[in-house]
Amino acid sequence: ETGVTQSPTHLIKTRGQQVTLRCSSQSGHNTVSWYQQALGQGPQFIFQYYREEENGRGNFPPRFSGLQFPNYSSELNVNALELDDSALYLCASSLFTGGADNEQFFGPGTRLTVL
Amino acid sequence: GENVEQHPSTLSVQEGDSAVIKCTYSDSASNYFPWYKQELGKGPQLIIDIRSNVGEKKDQQIAVTLNKTAKHFSLHITETQPEDSAVYFCAATDGNNRLAFGKGNQVVVIP
Repeated sequence: ETGVTQSPTHLIKTRGQQVTLRCSSQSGHNTVSWYQQALGQGPQFIFQYYREEENGRGNFPPRFSGLQFPNYSSELNVNALELDDSALYLCASSLFTGGADNEQFFGPGTRLTVL
Repeated sequence: GENVEQHPSTLSVQEGDSAVIKCTYSDSASNYFPWYKQELGKGPQLIIDIRSNVGEKKDQQIAVTLNKTAKHFSLHITETQPEDSAVYFCAATDGNNRLAFGKGNQVVVIP
């Protein structure tokens, strides 16, 4: 069974630039959720993708967008980067069956630094 | 939305002793409560979870209790080892599959 992987591991961008982060979900999972974790804080929910569509969004502006592909992998795109976007970006995969919430398994994260 | 609070922020224990972390949640509709362990430079690792139809769950040296009336849940780590040193996060979700996390608890196990 393959775990959740993310790329790249680290990324440095300048304010105003755009960034794309990638996530491969765990084998057998169909849902990917993205979280932002600022230093010393708990992860904050950005959005979730199920069946290639956004399935819920947290309190993040529209410049945060995403995609899910037929193989359930996902991308997180952030436009017009701001200094406060510097954080660890985590993706979590799970198997959504329409019933109770299921376990979410996290990848190692992408550390984004905005200068 | 759901608001999860976690106490204490830092906990130091002697090796072999027990550690207890407590969390409270605000949304009475929440029904799933996972706990994650995060080591430096790594993503959160699911260590145990509990659903609202259960009051207690154990898995080897760790256990979780849930009090739905008081809206709080706790993580108990017994016989702590140095490798248990990490940041522990509690979380809650109300069926929409969105995890609301606490701010984390730094556990330090002193050899």
